[in-house]
Amino acid sequence: DIQMTQSPSSLSASVGDRVTITCRTSQSVSRYLNWYQQTPGKAPKLLIHDASSLQSGVPSRFSGSGSGTDFTLTISSLQPEDSATYYCQWSYSTPYTFGQGTKLEIK
Amino acid sequence: QVQLQESGPGLVKPSETLSLTCTVSGGSINNYYWSWIRQPPGKGLEWIGYIYYSGSTKYNPSLKNRVTISVDTSKNQFSLKLNSVTAADTALYYCARVSHPDGSSGWYQDYWGQGILVTVSS
Repeated sequence: DIQMTQSPSSLSASVGDRVTITCRTSQSVSRYLNWYQQTPGKAPKLLIHDASSLQSGVPSRFSGSGSGTDFTLTISSLQPEDSATYYCQWSYSTPYTFGQGTKLEIK
Repeated sequence: QVQLQESGPGLVKPSETLSLTCTVSGGSINNYYWSWIRQPPGKGLEWIGYIYYSGSTKYNPSLKNRVTISVDTSKNQFSLKLNSVTAADTALYYCARVSHPDGSSGWYQDYWGQGILVTVSS
């Protein structure tokens, strides 16, 4: 199975900051990588699919990049409502493994 | 707007079978894949498996032969059964729609239910 490693596991940033979260896979996954946001008490929400495709309705401050084994999720200007845990997910063949999550807090 | 709602017992005894149903509203269950994902309290997400509306399935090997997912297109529902449960199966269980628009794209969960907490305890 493909292993997913996210970094950092947690971070704290200020409103307006540019934030980057990284996901590394144990083998190449081409561009089949998704990003989800989960706020406390809520179901995960799809942000990005296929490494860089912004899901409909997601603010444009979110963007994704990468291919192969290294991927990034970037928030260009952090907003208070972005406080959440972010997960990457491999998405081409089963099992669709998730990363361990990155908890983002607002200073 | 597609909506999903999980239902089932919130408490299951060890060694028994966990049974959950996901009801889809606002859209047809046909022509999509549907998945189950779980999250132990305070931990990360684990993909359990999916089912196509026609009935074909894929499961996470980590759950070995304990899991069965089925679909009832007449009721716009799909279900999860996990047998021989232990305390390690205590989790928030989510159902979700899987989108796979074409052969060049991946598979992603675009609509999720709110989740149902299932506790395994005697």
